[in-house]
Amino acid sequence: DTGVSQDPRHKITKRGQNVTFRCDPISEHNRLYWYRQTLGQGPEFLTYFQNEAQLEKSRLLSDRFSAERPKGSFSTLEIQRTEQGDSAMYLCASRSLQGSEGYTFGSGTRLTVV
Amino acid sequence: GENVEQHPSTLSVQEGDSAVIKCTYSDSASNYFPWYKQELGKGPQLIIDIRSNVGEKKDQRIAVTLNKTAKHFSLHITETQPEDSAVYFCAASKNTNAGKSTFGDGTTLTVKP
Repeated sequence: DTGVSQDPRHKITKRGQNVTFRCDPISEHNRLYWYRQTLGQGPEFLTYFQNEAQLEKSRLLSDRFSAERPKGSFSTLEIQRTEQGDSAMYLCASRSLQGSEGYTFGSGTRLTVV
Repeated sequence: GENVEQHPSTLSVQEGDSAVIKCTYSDSASNYFPWYKQELGKGPQLIIDIRSNVGEKKDQRIAVTLNKTAKHFSLHITETQPEDSAVYFCAASKNTNAGKSTFGDGTTLTVKP
């Protein structure tokens, strides 16, 4: 297990389309986080899971956004009816309940809505 | 909620010089302060962290200091090298938020050979 994997790396979509991103965390990490990063800004928290339970959602996560982690392993983030303002880097991170509290981030999915 | 401010937004130094990046936070309940390095096209990578019961932590050329009273913390990089060039982010979080972090807006560090 070499780290957190995100797919796809890049996604270009037309406004109004739905998109889905996938994150595979480090296998022994039971906490998984989604962040959004726009150019020149730090990552902004969207939501997090402990195992399969979604425990917190940011108000940034509008009704068009949904995240799942059905078996407590990989997670998906879906955006419905995409808008140009959704264009950003979507980062996934995981961490264990033991050890360092720091995140291990994936390389992100860059979404461009045209 | 927590607010983290980071300065400067850009920093240029000569190879071998030191670099210092400063952050302030607003929530006195925050107790964990990590620093991340982000290279182009990659996700942030944890480089050092400090908890609120410690005033300073060092790891080779990198050190972090924390002043809880003033609610600020700093990253110090000594003997900078061109490969230190990247965007650096500070963050703050509380145990009670299960590690949800609030990030600063980043500092673009350029180390000139």
